[in-house]
Amino acid sequence: GQQLNQSPQSMFIQEGEDVSMNCTSSSIFNTWLWYKQDPGEGPVLLIALYKAGELTSNGRLTAQFGITRKDSFLNISASIPSDVGIYFCAGQSNQGGKLIFGQGTELSVKP
Amino acid sequence: GAGVSQSPSNKVTEKGKDVELRCDPISGHTALYWYRQSLGQGLEFLIYFQGNSAPDKSGLPSDRFSAERTGGSVSTLTIQRTQQEDSAVYLCASRQTGGGGEQYFGPGTRLTVT
Repeated sequence: GQQLNQSPQSMFIQEGEDVSMNCTSSSIFNTWLWYKQDPGEGPVLLIALYKAGELTSNGRLTAQFGITRKDSFLNISASIPSDVGIYFCAGQSNQGGKLIFGQGTELSVKP
Repeated sequence: GAGVSQSPSNKVTEKGKDVELRCDPISGHTALYWYRQSLGQGLEFLIYFQGNSAPDKSGLPSDRFSAERTGGSVSTLTIQRTQQEDSAVYLCASRQTGGGGEQYFGPGTRLTVT
């Protein structure tokens, strides 16, 4: 079945540093989504990408939909303590269909 | 506006008992999804409802799992004869028709089978 490989599994950074995480897939997706999950809560949508090559920003967050449609990355610039949490990528083959999730990247930010 | 709500937030049950988990999607969202998240893991798709179409049940792990959606709104996920490996957080998401692929999640129900 479809699988997503997300890396790194965890990151420990200093406040103010930039962060990058990525996902790769063995198959093509038509949509890539990035979510953040805080403890005890459901994932919150950060960015949605719909076209190969698309680069989208949301404040300090930037994400790109890889040209091959098999990968995506998320960058966070100038990290702050509230960026702490687990970030998930998710791919979708058919619009509106199920999401396939990566295993998550746990981000820790040291003030 | 109100987001996706789920109840109960926590459920502890004995092995072998049946449980029902409820999801109230965002008003007007016609698509509804159930996912399962085991400790420290990503989300695993279970089932998907879209309007009046037959649901996509391809993610249900066994015939002990079932779900229904009444009146195109509220959904109930039922797990019969619960096993310890069913312990997980069960998350519901909804999506607006024509809203692209964006799914919005509820807070989840943490199920513990003892």
